[in-house]
Amino acid sequence: QKEVEQDPGPLSVPEGAIVSLNCTYSNSAFQYFMWYRQYSRKGPELLMYTYSSGNKEDGRFTAQVDKSSKYISLFIRDSQPSDSATYLCATTRKAGTALIFGKGTTLSVSS
Amino acid sequence: KAGVTQTPRYLIKTRGQQVTLSCSPISGHRSVSWYQQTPGQGLQFLFEYFSETQRNKGNFPGRFSGRQFSNSRSEMNVSTLELGDSALYLCASSSGGTTDTQYFGPGTRLTVL
Repeated sequence: QKEVEQDPGPLSVPEGAIVSLNCTYSNSAFQYFMWYRQYSRKGPELLMYTYSSGNKEDGRFTAQVDKSSKYISLFIRDSQPSDSATYLCATTRKAGTALIFGKGTTLSVSS
Repeated sequence: KAGVTQTPRYLIKTRGQQVTLSCSPISGHRSVSWYQQTPGQGLQFLFEYFSETQRNKGNFPGRFSGRQFSNSRSEMNVSTLELGDSALYLCASSSGGTTDTQYFGPGTRLTVL
């Protein structure tokens, strides 16, 4: 079993839709959770950073962590064509140690 | 503040050759991590350097090595290249502090023929 599982998609939605992206992880020691966005031929860009369980909101993006079920979610409200990218979840046990990534979900938002 | 820079952006090599990739972190950042990204395996951690010392290492063969200089710039080297080494190699920098958010560069696309 991989440490972080993420459905690769692709996921196609119309502009304005609410998008839900999800990951599960296996190791209860993971405490830091991140979402990165990666456009084609670019490096990953940090979107959200969360410590332990709970919600975090930043504009149209909301990250949720449920440590009891080992489930990580990213919600995108009012999705835009510019949101079309690959979204990667990542986690680590301790700040400063290696990030463990999901394989990424490819999202396409059509206008 | 300038972001993470990586050079070169693209490389084509043949099997058996060796290659050196370079990474300049964000000014003030002392930690540099390297990752390999392939369609099959996704992003996998290679190693991390902090203040010129390798602090963490992933599960890659000894053909993959790295170093960090006193100005925090880092290089990674791959010797005896194999076809399976074709990948996007990403460098990430962080302050090395308690929040330690990692910021990625654009990557070096290595193709091994």
